[in-house]
Amino acid sequence: AQKVTQAQTEISVVEKEDVTLDCVYETRDTTYYLFWYKQPPSGELVFLIRRNSFDEQNEISGRYSWNFQKSTSSFNFTITASQVVDSAVYFCALSGWSNYQLIWGAGTKLIIKP
Amino acid sequence: ETGVTQTPRHLVMGMTNKKSLKCEQHLGHNAMYWYKQSAKKPLELMFVYSLEERVENNSVPSRFSPECPNSSHLFLHLHTLQPEDSALYLCASSQVLQDPREQYFGPGTRLTVT
Repeated sequence: AQKVTQAQTEISVVEKEDVTLDCVYETRDTTYYLFWYKQPPSGELVFLIRRNSFDEQNEISGRYSWNFQKSTSSFNFTITASQVVDSAVYFCALSGWSNYQLIWGAGTKLIIKP
Repeated sequence: ETGVTQTPRHLVMGMTNKKSLKCEQHLGHNAMYWYKQSAKKPLELMFVYSLEERVENNSVPSRFSPECPNSSHLFLHLHTLQPEDSALYLCASSQVLQDPREQYFGPGTRLTVT
């Protein structure tokens, strides 16, 4: 069975702090995809990143970085120098090679205080 | 218009009403999805259409009826809803069985059933 666990329900930090959102997944597939999405208060889910299972290279995009480790089945997301605009719910998701469905984590609500 | 659009953005309906939600994607994708997002619950996949054929129907009550007339348009017809159907309804689209696979979401329709 496939499963995504985001153990942190809510995180609150002060602006400019670094914050890491955890994502742990379970799958028996050898080829799979991992995703992160952001849902601001407006409600729209915004795609942030896709990672293939055969590419363990970490990725950095501005203040965002992602750490993919197959050995621990984790795909963690770090925001450096957080800003108030980063406040949102962040979802991690998983899909198999031939799967239409995304298996979603429960989401982590991130609150950035000014 | 770009991306995925949804109308209406907000809808209030009585339990005996009939209404429809509309979704349109301008991304050239071949699959479309309806999700339900209730407060404090994970994202629930309701329906998936691939190449205009329904491929997933996750035990959704018959008071929800999807329609996909072509690869760019998706409807969700609603009738005799219950108060527990009040939620944010999200539409998404993607390419299936080929990269990139990420789903792109519309802004959602916030439905209130009175």
